[in-house]
Amino acid sequence: DSGVTQTPKHLITATGQRVTLRCSPRSGDLSVYWYQQSLDQGLQFLIQYYNGEERAKGNILERFSAQQFPDLHSELNLSSLELGDSALYFCASNDPGQTNTGELFFGEGSRLTVL
Amino acid sequence: TQLLEQSPQFLSIQEGENLTVYCNSSSVFSSLQWYRQEPGEGPVLLVTVVTGGEVKKLKRLTFQFGDARKDSSLHITAAQPGDTGLYLCAGASGGSNYKLTFGKGTLLTVNP
Repeated sequence: DSGVTQTPKHLITATGQRVTLRCSPRSGDLSVYWYQQSLDQGLQFLIQYYNGEERAKGNILERFSAQQFPDLHSELNLSSLELGDSALYFCASNDPGQTNTGELFFGEGSRLTVL
Repeated sequence: TQLLEQSPQFLSIQEGENLTVYCNSSSVFSSLQWYRQEPGEGPVLLVTVVTGGEVKKLKRLTFQFGDARKDSSLHITAAQPGDTGLYLCAGASGGSNYKLTFGKGTLLTVNP
């Protein structure tokens, strides 16, 4: 158990819809990262938050947005969903102040299926 | 854009065999991490290597960081079915520890 909690584990929805994925980081971790994993692209970095502020952006589509709340949990919002958005979405956390090599602790992921 | 190439992409072996998987890049990384991901789970950190030429052992797993810090290998001795999973390498560059570059992984299956 990494200590990172993600909900829901599975989600099936239709094209054009909007979903919200939720993540609670490990106790004490200030940074939250979102990744998308698909068979052909592997694990792709989407976005990072640190203590409520956006810290870095990766390959995140404009239809996607995220935020980190004062209690440090984070939400990833995916809108106008397309078939190609079907993937595993992982949240990871760490405390950059405690590591200088950036090891991440991952949740179990949310599997999104868009029909 | 920094890329990490992992090989082989797929590997299926019998229990008791030895194997090596590779992680290569043209870029220099300040550190490199190996993760294992089992079906339905998130990646779990196995090891971090930092110094060029560094070798780390974790029971039957041996990790090596290349002298130039551009590549790494993972050797498993006497593989067991419990070693089955997706092995991912991830490189961290400079001071940007918040943007790891992941390889696509090696999917290892160890048959009993």
